[in-house]
Order: sequence, then C-alpha cells, then structure tokens
Amino acid sequence: GNSVTQMEGPVTLSEEAFLTINCTYTATGYPSLFWYVQYPGEGLQLLLKATKADDKGSNKGFEATYRKETTSFHLEKGSVQVSDSAVYFCALRVSSNTGKLIFGQGTTLQVKP
Amino acid sequence: DAGVIQSPRHEVTEMGQEVTLRCKPISGHDYLFWYRQTMMRGLELLIYFNNNVPIDDSGMPEDRFSAKMPNASFSTLKIQPSEPRDSAVYFCASSRKTSGKTDTQYFGPGTRLTVL
Repeated sequence: GNSVTQMEGPVTLSEEAFLTINCTYTATGYPSLFWYVQYPGEGLQLLLKATKADDKGSNKGFEATYRKETTSFHLEKGSVQVSDSAVYFCALRVSSNTGKLIFGQGTTLQVKP
Repeated sequence: DAGVIQSPRHEVTEMGQEVTLRCKPISGHDYLFWYRQTMMRGLELLIYFNNNVPIDDSGMPEDRFSAKMPNASFSTLKIQPSEPRDSAVYFCASSRKTSGKTDTQYFGPGTRLTVL
C-alpha cells in the first residue's frame, strides 16, 4: 500500500543550525510529494511540493528534492530560526485526480535561541 | 479570501452527547476533506467530498460518525453518541481542480473536541 515514514521527533536544534528531517515513502505509480507545517494551535499549511522525480521544492529557506531512486523527500534548511518551531508533515498524493493525501506521523521541531 | 472556516474552535461535551462540527470551504473549491488528529494515530483522513458528493468514507471510524455536505459552502461532521476516545482535533480542508488536476489542500484551524 501507500505510506509515508518520517523520522521520529522531537528534533531540538539551536538557532542557525542546519536542519534535516527525513521522509521516505512507498507508493504505486508516480506520486506527488508535499511538506506541510503546523504551527501551535493552527491548521496545516503547505510548505513546499514536488510533482515529479528530481524536482526540488523550496519555500522560506526550506528545500526538498524528490528522489525516486531512494523513494525519499528529505526536508532541509540551512539555518533555522526560533520561528521555525512547529510540526512538519511529509505527505504523498498518488492520484492528482482525487487529491487524497497520505500523511506521515509528523516531526516536531524545537529551535532554541 | 477568508480561508477554510471551522466552528466551533473548541468543544467540550459529555459522553453520549451528540456533537456537530461545521466547515465552510474556500469559495470555488471542488473538494472537501475531513481529518482527525490524535497523538496516537497522527493525522487520519475520515472522508472526502467532490462537488458535494461523498467519494471515500473508508476512514470513518464507525457508524457513530456521519458527514454531510448539503451545498458547496457547508459541511458537517456529526458524532452520535460521542465517546471519550473521540477526543481529538478535527480538521477540514478544501481544494480545487484546475486543468484536470487537484490543487493544494488548504486547512482550517481545526476544532478541538474533548469528550468527558
């Protein structure tokens, strides 16, 4: 079946540290991949996406590259800020026809000043 | 645009009571999704609609849960009777279809339900 696996959190970093949150997936066909972010007390917001192999999604200093050979979509940021503290969700969409998303468990990031 | 609107933001009820959660999707969006988020199970898709028609309700936990979408601007998720294990944050999301493909899902702020 289709599934998403994220590294377990929480991830605790100091401000300006480098961030990597691992995400791997299992899917039939050619899924689209997403990273969503959830700030405390809010709903999820789309952070970035990639729709085909080797695409790189980027937004607000975050990047992720769609790696079909390793079935991965790791999230990276070169220098995190306290305001990046949130829960990050990796997700896949198998069919663009339905829009149904399958989410990973989420990874909590805490950035300390 | 106002974004996806959910009400109430918080609901506290007693076991056995009926609970109704409400959602107003973004105007013009064709798809509406209901999710449940818990610490134990993460984010689960309960049901989704396309043009007000339920397409996939395989995630609805049991018969106590029901969802309706009487028109393009309103949906409800009802739990009757409610149980303590239903305590969770319930999210509504909407998206549209453009050029034959579904677009980004936009989430509402969620309803935090506590069943005592």
